[in-house]
Amino acid sequence: ETGVTQTPRHLVMGMTNKKSLKCEQHLGHNAMYWYKQSAKKPLELMFVYNFKEQTENNSVPSRFSPECPNSSHLFLHLHTLQPEDSALYLCASSPRGGLAGSWNEQFFGPGTRLTVL
Amino acid sequence: AQTVTQSQPEMSVQEAETVTLSCTYDTSESDYYLFWYKQPPSRQMILVIRQEAYKQQNATENRFSVNFQKAAKSFSLKISDSQLGDAAMYFCAYRSGASGTYKYIFGTGTRLKVLA
Repeated sequence: ETGVTQTPRHLVMGMTNKKSLKCEQHLGHNAMYWYKQSAKKPLELMFVYNFKEQTENNSVPSRFSPECPNSSHLFLHLHTLQPEDSALYLCASSPRGGLAGSWNEQFFGPGTRLTVL
Repeated sequence: AQTVTQSQPEMSVQEAETVTLSCTYDTSESDYYLFWYKQPPSRQMILVIRQEAYKQQNATENRFSVNFQKAAKSFSLKISDSQLGDAAMYFCAYRSGASGTYKYIFGTGTRLKVLA
């Protein structure tokens, strides 16, 4: 597989369930991101990881727990979610910022459509 | 802090016509990158075009071109000869050029409808 992949593509869960979203990038990038995309709202940055280290946590509730075991894999562990957490969760990756000659663009995965009942 | 503003929530264009999507941004930095991303309905977000701030020449990619006005902090996207496949949400994004930065700032998006 190439690019950024996300599994599962669709997830329905109850408020008491525990589930995990997985993201994998095959681009050799060192930065990975989680975004939340809700209808009629701006794209919300949740977490940023660089070489497995978290560099950004955008005041995300603790019911979302990220994990980055290496620079190719990123997880988002979910527990006791609320119906308002229903959204499209996008993963992205990018090369290191400030690289001469690099465009530093983000590559996105297809997203996981999450529904919380 | 940097901000990105897209003032047009929705735009429509007739097939084969030209449309311009607006984007303004605010930053105190001199080195940065600007991007336009396209997100078709139920499909993956993909890069359309990109611009480095130090380059005065406007970027072009086939039917897509930008009008980059650094002093005015404006970065509009022009789509020529619009096609039905151009219908999508378009997001303008900013990234600092400083080494070690990873944060992208996105606008709220413009939904483009292409009329047959």
